[in-house]
Amino acid sequence: EAAVTQSPRNKVTVTGGNVTLSCRQTNSHNYMYWYRQDTGHGLRLIHYSYGAGNLQIGDVPDGYKATRTTQEDFFLLLELASPSQTSLYFCASSDAYAEQFFGPGTRLTVL
Amino acid sequence: QQKVQQSPESLSVPEGGMASLNCTSSDRNFQYFWWYRQHSGEGPKALMSIFSDGDKKEGRFTAHLNKASLHVSLHIRDSQPSDSALYFCAASGTSGGSNAKLTFGKGTKLSVKS
Repeated sequence: EAAVTQSPRNKVTVTGGNVTLSCRQTNSHNYMYWYRQDTGHGLRLIHYSYGAGNLQIGDVPDGYKATRTTQEDFFLLLELASPSQTSLYFCASSDAYAEQFFGPGTRLTVL
Repeated sequence: QQKVQQSPESLSVPEGGMASLNCTSSDRNFQYFWWYRQHSGEGPKALMSIFSDGDKKEGRFTAHLNKASLHVSLHIRDSQPSDSALYFCAASGTSGGSNAKLTFGKGTKLSVKS
C-alpha cells in the first residue's frame, strides 16, 4: 500500500514565526498535494505538484509557499505564520486520475 | 459557493441499518466522483470511485451517480460500528491541467450505534 509520511506530527509556533512542514512519499507517484482540514470547511487544497520543480496553485494558497524538491519530497512553508493558519494539514500523493493516498497529518497551532 | 455540497452534515443509524449519504456538484466540469472515509485521528482513505451513470457496488457499499443532475450518493448496507467516521465526497474535472486535483465537500459524520 502507498506510504506517505509527514513531519512533524505536531507543531506549535508563535504569530510571525516560520514553519516548514515536510512530506515524503515512496510510491513513485507523480502528483503530490497539500490540504488543510478545518471543522465546517472539510478538506481544502493549498498547493499541488505534478513533478520535481513543478508547483500548481490550489484553492486556498494565500500565506503559503510550497516546493517540490524531488519526486518523493514536497514541503509546505509558512513564512509569517498567523493564528488563522492553525489547522490540521494533510499531504497526499497519487497518479493522475487515480486514488489519492493521504499521510497521517500534522497539527499546527499558531499562538 | 461550495462546489461540492454534502448532506446531511451528520447521520446516526443503528447497527445493521442502512446509511445513505448524498452529494451534489454545482460545477458541470466535475464528472469524476470519489468517496473518502476518515476515521478519527487518521488521514482520509479512498473508499470507492464512480465515473459512469448508474450504480457501483463494492461489498456493503453502493455508490450511485446521475451525471445529468450531478448527484452522487453512497449507501452503506448492514452498517457496523467500525463504519463510524467522517465521509467526504470529492469531484474532479475531465479536461485541462487541473483535472488531477480533487474538490472535496465538507463531509458527513456517520455514527453507527450498537
